[in-house]
Amino acid sequence: QSVLTQPPSVSAAPGQRVTISCSGSSSDIGKNYVSWYQQFPGTAPQLLIYDNNKRPSGIPDRFSGSKSGTSATLVITGLQTGDEADYYCGTWDSNQSAGVFGGGTKLTVL
Amino acid sequence: EVQLLESGGGLVQPGGSLRLSCAASEFSFSIYAMSWVRQAPGRGLEWVSAISGSGESTYYADSVKGRFTISRDNSKNTLFLQMSSLRAEDTAIYYCANYRDGYNYIIYWGQGTLVTVSS
Repeated sequence: QSVLTQPPSVSAAPGQRVTISCSGSSSDIGKNYVSWYQQFPGTAPQLLIYDNNKRPSGIPDRFSGSKSGTSATLVITGLQTGDEADYYCGTWDSNQSAGVFGGGTKLTVL
Repeated sequence: EVQLLESGGGLVQPGGSLRLSCAASEFSFSIYAMSWVRQAPGRGLEWVSAISGSGESTYYADSVKGRFTISRDNSKNTLFLQMSSLRAEDTAIYYCANYRDGYNYIIYWGQGTLVTVSS
């Protein structure tokens, strides 16, 4: 089963903007909604973005998501040191009938 | 407040078996699909298995197919993962997770239970 492709790491200075990409295929991202999860060390992941671009209650609008074709993107603006975490994209693979996650991206706020 | 509380993790020898449980509270458990997601030490998230709200439909990652069985008891708001023929590469934190809108996204996660497969 495939794993969605994410960059292993990204970094930016406080206050700046960063993008995290997530690449899939026609059977996963191409057919289904994408969600994004934030995970701090030693804790469970938490939902950040769902249905490609929707934010759950309590998630600031500094976080946004988009999808185009077989790729998705997470954008974080106004970076804060507290945003340092691992970020994962996820979706469903319709051909495999299985869930799938990206390999994760470690965000460093310099 | 929604709670997902996993239990049953521990140390098991290669080839052994273990049964994980996840007790859910404060939401309509039987309506929603549930899932197990694992994370090996220092690694990323790996989707393991999912089950429909009724329990009639189950899905597995290739890496565990034929060895793991997911099930649920809606009368007790509990999710299970029966793991057998365990291998060293099954060592991970196992998270119980609650899907919404079919299998579109995971809204709630448990705190995880550690499974260590080692002799």
